[in-house]
Amino acid sequence: DTGVSQDPRHKITKRGQNVTFRCDPISEHNRLYWYRQTLGQGPEFLTYFQNEAQLEKSRLLSDRFSAERPKGSFSTLEIQRTEQGDSAMYLCASSEMSDYTEAFFGQGTRLTVV
Amino acid sequence: DAKTTQPNSMESNEEEPVHLPCNHSTISGTDYIHWYRQLPSQGPEYVIHGLTSNVNNRMASLAIAEDRKSSTLILHRATLRDAAVYYCILRDVNQGGKLIFGQGTELSVKP
Repeated sequence: DTGVSQDPRHKITKRGQNVTFRCDPISEHNRLYWYRQTLGQGPEFLTYFQNEAQLEKSRLLSDRFSAERPKGSFSTLEIQRTEQGDSAMYLCASSEMSDYTEAFFGQGTRLTVV
Repeated sequence: DAKTTQPNSMESNEEEPVHLPCNHSTISGTDYIHWYRQLPSQGPEYVIHGLTSNVNNRMASLAIAEDRKSSTLILHRATLRDAAVYYCILRDVNQGGKLIFGQGTELSVKP
């Protein structure tokens, strides 16, 4: 297992287009988290899944954002009608069910909306 | 969400110890203290975590105050590769284990 992987690493899109990112967590990790990070800021929590159930969504996650985790394996984050303010690094992390362990982050997807 | 307070930046010399402080006066009994670091253009990387007792691992040591309202991450011998933003985070076991990041401390290491 090579850790959490995210695809693509970079994405440039025109304003108004839809984009979808994929995250493959470490196998057997029940929990999966999505974060967004803008330049100079710490990562901001967006949402998390426990297996296939989406248990929490941040207020930051507007109606244009949707996340899925079918069958409790990989996850996708879709942004519809992208805006320039959506430009950021989107990070995925996974962890075991136990809260006594650490979370592992992927390298992120850098989104640029032009 | 429980909050942490860290200095914005710190400097260290290579091969010297570094003590990175963190205040978390509103910590609850179920919060674990986690430290992550982030190198430029990379995702955050786990460093260490603890609940009440001091902890050591191959990367660092974590010293936790007796009242748990503050903690210190100790890098025993800083290297140039330790230059990163260090985040002190309270992970609430009752909140799905999500990590709420603050601004972190940007550590620079001088040769």
